Amino acid sequence: AQSVTQPDIHITVSEGASLELRCNYSYGATPYLFWYVQSPGQGLQLLLKYFSGDTLVQGIKGFEAEFKRSQSSFNLRKPSVHWSDAAEYFCAVGSTSGTYKYIFGTGTRLKVLA
Amino acid sequence: GAGVSQSPSNKVTEKGKDVELRCDPISGHTALYWYRQSLGQGLEFLIYFQGNSAPDKSGLPSDRFSAERTGGSVSTLTIQRTQQEDSAVYLCASSPILQETQYFGPGTRLLVL
Repeated sequence: AQSVTQPDIHITVSEGASLELRCNYSYGATPYLFWYVQSPGQGLQLLLKYFSGDTLVQGIKGFEAEFKRSQSSFNLRKPSVHWSDAAEYFCAVGSTSGTYKYIFGTGTRLKVLA
Repeated sequence: GAGVSQSPSNKVTEKGKDVELRCDPISGHTALYWYRQSLGQGLEFLIYFQGNSAPDKSGLPSDRFSAERTGGSVSTLTIQRTQQEDSAVYLCASSPILQETQYFGPGTRLLVL
């Protein structure tokens, strides 16, 4: 069955520090992979997505993610975190064939210390 | 351009009452999705519509939940005989085609007393 796991519920980093948010998925083939961000009081916004091709994808706001097939992972990274990055981040997995399935992880809440 | 809009933004109702939540997708988007986000939880898929195809209702938690999409555009999610456990934020999203990037609305926060 298709699933996605975000093992870190909360993460706290200092402003300017690097960030990595973990996402692991379970799927029979290469899925579509997404990262969304939800700022307080805001709707979800797409940060980046992977469909095929280069396994390192660049997104908005200086974020990037790397698809690693061998590890079934799609971790989100940012070299230097800004205070405005404090938000909740969701990884999502979409099926590439058959019946539509689009599953979100439970989210990682990021806190940024000044 | 205009994004996905949802109304009302907040809804407080009494247990047992019916509620209707509305979603206006981005013009031209053929796919429309409904999700539920409970406090501290991820997004729970409820239903999606794709063009003129029959909707996938596999995520609806009970037969008290239903949704329709009129004219391939506006969608209404109806919850009958609301229960306290229905309290959540209901999110709508649309995408140009199925499986593509989803654009989310701001959500409707439902509180059932």
